[in-house]
Amino acid sequence: DSGVTQTPKHLITATGQRVTLRCSPRSGDLSVYWYQQSLDQGLQFLIHYYNGEERAKGNILERFSAQQFPDLHSELNLSSLELGDSALYFCASSSGGGSNQPQHFGDGTRLSIL
Amino acid sequence: GQQVMQIPQYQHVQEGEDFTTYCNSSTTLSNIQWYKQRPGGHPVFLIQLVKSGEVKKQKRLTFQFGEAKKNSSLHITATQTTDVGTYFCAGFTGFQKLVFGTGTRLLVSP
Repeated sequence: DSGVTQTPKHLITATGQRVTLRCSPRSGDLSVYWYQQSLDQGLQFLIHYYNGEERAKGNILERFSAQQFPDLHSELNLSSLELGDSALYFCASSSGGGSNQPQHFGDGTRLSIL
Repeated sequence: GQQVMQIPQYQHVQEGEDFTTYCNSSTTLSNIQWYKQRPGGHPVFLIQLVKSGEVKKQKRLTFQFGEAKKNSSLHITATQTTDVGTYFCAGFTGFQKLVFGTGTRLLVSP
C-alpha cells in the first residue's frame, strides 16, 4: 500500500461528458502529480502541484484541468470527453517539490469512454 | 520535446537468465529514477541515480547512470518469476518535469 488513495477505481461514461478524479496524497506529502497511461503505453505526465500551487505542466489538454486543495488532496477534471481519453489515470505524491523525490503512486482510476 | 526511449520494448527470458534494459534521453538529465510496474499494478519506485557514472546495486539489480547523464541501464542477474513487469526509467529535465521512458516489458518463464 503506497498510502496514495485514488477514487473512483473505475469510471464508465459517454463522449461529451465531464468527470472528476480524486487523489489523496500520502500523509505529509506536499506534491501531487497526475499521469495518463493509455493501453500498452508509457506514462504521460499531465501536471504537478506543490502545496496548492501549480509547479509544472506536461501534455495536458485544454479540456483537462486540475487543482490542489488546502487539505492537499487533488482533483483532475476531464471535460468534453472523447473516446481517446480512455486510459488509466495515476496520481502520485512526493514529500517535497523538487526533482530528487521518489514518487509514490496510487492504484489509478480506469476511465472508459463509450 | 524531450524524449526518453527504452530498449528493448519487450523481452521474454527463461528463469535464471540475465536481463538488461537501456534508457536513452535526447537531453541531459539532472537525475534518473527507475520504477517497476507489475501487471495490473501501479509504478513502484526502485532507485534514483544522480551522479555521472553512478552505479547502484539492489540485490540482483544493478543500475547505472551514464557519464554524459543522457543514458542509464538496469541489469537483473539470474531473473526470477517475481521480476515480471514493466520497467520504466524516468528522467528529470531542468523544468521540473519527470519524463518517463517508453518502458521495457519483462516476461520470465519458469
